[in-house]
Amino acid sequence: NAGVMQNPRHLVRRRGQEARLRCSPMKGHSHVYWYRQLPEEGLKFMVYLQKENIIDESGMPKERFSAEFPKEGPSILRIQQVVRGDSAAYFCASSPGLYYNEQFFGPGTRLTVL
Amino acid sequence: DQQVKQNSPSLSVQEGRISILNCDYTNSMFDYFLWYKKYPAEGPTFLISISSIKDKNEDGRFTVFLNKSAKHLSLHIVPSQPGDSAVYFCAASEAGANSKLTFGKGITLSVRP
Repeated sequence: NAGVMQNPRHLVRRRGQEARLRCSPMKGHSHVYWYRQLPEEGLKFMVYLQKENIIDESGMPKERFSAEFPKEGPSILRIQQVVRGDSAAYFCASSPGLYYNEQFFGPGTRLTVL
Repeated sequence: DQQVKQNSPSLSVQEGRISILNCDYTNSMFDYFLWYKKYPAEGPTFLISISSIKDKNEDGRFTVFLNKSAKHLSLHIVPSQPGDSAVYFCAASEAGANSKLTFGKGITLSVRP
């Protein structure tokens, strides 16, 4: 019974490069959430997606960040032209569907921007 | 604007004793509350939750208490074990299915053998 999977676990990018973070939800889960954790902070909501739809992107920076959850394959969080301030742990969570409040988290991707 | 506050950054408890972790919130629209446990370099693990229609929920050694009028909840762990040493996050969501979670900054619990 595989949990939420994220890859890569660690990602190093130079300023100006693109970062792609992948998330495969738990089997049977069709709702995906992305959160970011800066050092010494709690997790901050970024975006909530269902298959092929963005439901809530109120926590996503307006520029350089985008997310998708295609019909087939994992959810992708894309950060273009990364800057040092993007260095953080990015966590993906999934839930099975409507009226289910608990979210189950993956191990995270630690992005370091040099 | 911190809507979920965990004002004590750390707590140290003797093994076998009770650990009480506190959490306050300001958003009156929150109606579901969760506690997560997190080890370094891992993702948060769901521990226990409570709906606003209840004031207590218990699961083994873990009990969560909710005081809606005070906008306060607490997690009790009894008896505390060294393996409980981790960061504990309080989180909340508003009414409605699949609402985003708002997290506190976390409390580092150390259980001394």
